[in-house]
Amino acid sequence: AQKVTQAQTEISVVEKEDVTLDCVYETRDTTYYLFWYKQPPSGELVFLIRRNSFDEQNEISGRYSWNFQKSTSSFNFTITASQVVDSAVYFCALSEFTGNQFYFGTGTSLTVIP
Amino acid sequence: GAVVSQHPSRVICKSGTSVKIECRSLDFQATTMFWYRQFPKKSLMLMATSNEGSKATYEQGVEKDKFLINHASLTLSTLTVTSAHPEDSSFYICSASRTKETQYFGPGTRLLVL
Repeated sequence: AQKVTQAQTEISVVEKEDVTLDCVYETRDTTYYLFWYKQPPSGELVFLIRRNSFDEQNEISGRYSWNFQKSTSSFNFTITASQVVDSAVYFCALSEFTGNQFYFGTGTSLTVIP
Repeated sequence: GAVVSQHPSRVICKSGTSVKIECRSLDFQATTMFWYRQFPKKSLMLMATSNEGSKATYEQGVEKDKFLINHASLTLSTLTVTSAHPEDSSFYICSASRTKETQYFGPGTRLLVL
């Protein structure tokens, strides 16, 4: 079973629109960590955020915000006022305390149209 | 912050030759290093996990004789693709970890086998 599901394969938005990337995870661990990474065309993974399972506070960083809902096992990522430079593939990932493996979602390819 | 480098960033080789990719943690000692493979428009696939001084643990379906992993020190791991064939062409990404919950990713190596 897929531990991290990113149902949106591709999204296109017009510049300045807001966009939310969905991430649903599955784990039996009570302690776990959730991540978002950005992968621009260059290929390098850019770390965006890490959240531990005990911290359900939503986080905002500039135009980026994250909504962690344990009740629905979701960790969604919103970009406000999107820009062309936001165009990339975004990966959600899960790390469980009982192991040291990262489980990546299949990624969401975001295209921001000028 | 923690920096992980990979060398080379890009390599083209002839079919049948072997290629070595280096992964270094530049400013920290990595207890564990991971190797991933990523096909175009796909997610990262974990190939193997290696701890310094011990044999790597390979994921199911990954040929250990084909993809040789050496983790000689706490700052260096190498992946050697032996007798490379065109189907081995891919984007290879390493990561390094010093604590359970976080991995720091290298910039990746694009391998093209002709």
